[in-house]
Amino acid sequence: AQKVTQAQTEISVVEKEDVTLDCVYETRDTTYYLFWYKQPPSGELVFLIRRNSFDEQNEISGRYSWNFQKSTSSFNFTITASQVVDSAVYFCALSEAGNTPLVFGKGTRLSVIA
Amino acid sequence: DGGITQSPKYLFRKEGQNVTLSCEQNLNHDAMYWYRQDPGQGLRLIYYSQIVNDFQKGDIAEGYSVSREKKESFPLTVTSAQKNPTAFYLCASSPDPGELFFGEGSRLTVL
Repeated sequence: AQKVTQAQTEISVVEKEDVTLDCVYETRDTTYYLFWYKQPPSGELVFLIRRNSFDEQNEISGRYSWNFQKSTSSFNFTITASQVVDSAVYFCALSEAGNTPLVFGKGTRLSVIA
Repeated sequence: DGGITQSPKYLFRKEGQNVTLSCEQNLNHDAMYWYRQDPGQGLRLIYYSQIVNDFQKGDIAEGYSVSREKKESFPLTVTSAQKNPTAFYLCASSPDPGELFFGEGSRLTVL
């Protein structure tokens, strides 16, 4: 069975600090996809990134970066020089091969204080 | 504009009443999903449909029903059998494995 664990329920940082959101997953499949979504106060989930299980390269997009490590079953998300607009709930999710629906972690609420 | 439209955004219901949440997409996606979000619980899958006239139960389907008569539409009915229906409901669609496009959500409150 697939499972996603986001152990950090809430994180508070001061603006311009770096912050890492942890995600640990469980799956028996060798082919799977990992995702991060952002949910701002408006409620709509915004897609950030998708990674397939065969691509362990780290990804950087502006102030965002992702560290995928199969050895520890982790897919962590780092925001560099955080800004108030980064305040949101962030979800990590997993989909096994075969077009199975996404399974989400419980989310991490990030508050960036000016 | 292309996207997912959910309505209504806010809905109040008396206990014992059924209510239907609308979800429409013009992205030409085959797959559509309904998730429920409760504080501290993340998103839990209610129902999903990968093709017209077919749908499958998710993890928490009890007390809910859906239909998929058209590719664009995937309405969710919250029945009186759902014991704790107050929640935020999110509809999504997908063109391929995994990547979901979400609507803005519908917040249901049972009085």
